[in-house]
Amino acid sequence: QSVLTQPPSASGTPGQRVTISCSGSSSTIGSNPVSWYQHLPGTAPKLLIYSNNQRPSGVPDRFSGSKSGTSASLAISGLRSEDEADYYCAAWDDSLIGGVFGGGTKLTVL
Amino acid sequence: QVQLVQSGAEVKKPGSSVKVSCKSSGGRFTNLAVSWVRQAPGHGLEWMGGIIPIFGTAKYAQKFQGRVTITADESTETSYMELSSLRSDDAAVYYCASGPEIVEVLATTWSRFDYWGQGTLVTVSS
Repeated sequence: QSVLTQPPSASGTPGQRVTISCSGSSSTIGSNPVSWYQHLPGTAPKLLIYSNNQRPSGVPDRFSGSKSGTSASLAISGLRSEDEADYYCAAWDDSLIGGVFGGGTKLTVL
Repeated sequence: QVQLVQSGAEVKKPGSSVKVSCKSSGGRFTNLAVSWVRQAPGHGLEWMGGIIPIFGTAKYAQKFQGRVTITADESTETSYMELSSLRSDDAAVYYCASGPEIVEVLATTWSRFDYWGQGTLVTVSS
């Protein structure tokens, strides 16, 4: 069981906006910034968001992140078929004194 | 632009050890926080630990304490992850990953990974 909790699945149709949640605690999201990753099978994960809402260069502005209290969210607008992938949140855990990932959310584009 | 290149696939017997390498180029290796992340079949990503060469000491996830050793060779700009007492559930793809160069440890150091190796498949089978 992961320290950060994500829904196992999410779905949307092309053009829609979908959000993926990541729930933590005071020792994780409550006191540390969140990163988000996109992972396609057979490839290395890709950083989408860091420090809660910052996009690395090259990541489309269709991807956005937010954080409130002990939860964070990743929003994808203008959904495309190529967005179908697994998405993971990550943060530092002050209690475990280590990095932690969410369990991952499989996004399906219908 | 930092590039991380990992060693090739490994097949190991239960109880043995595996050592995976991760060679860095394009950045200042001593100031990179190199983490190791694995993904077992049907499971999610899991942070195992990491090292910042300029600071020397490695940090490990509690789950792997005593079984994993992460080192860095500054002369070859290569990080190593050695996992001992292998079990069948250690079969996974192992990645090295790093964020941007750092001068101090930040809250994002061990969760922000801009650069990734290609992954190394470790099979554990008798």
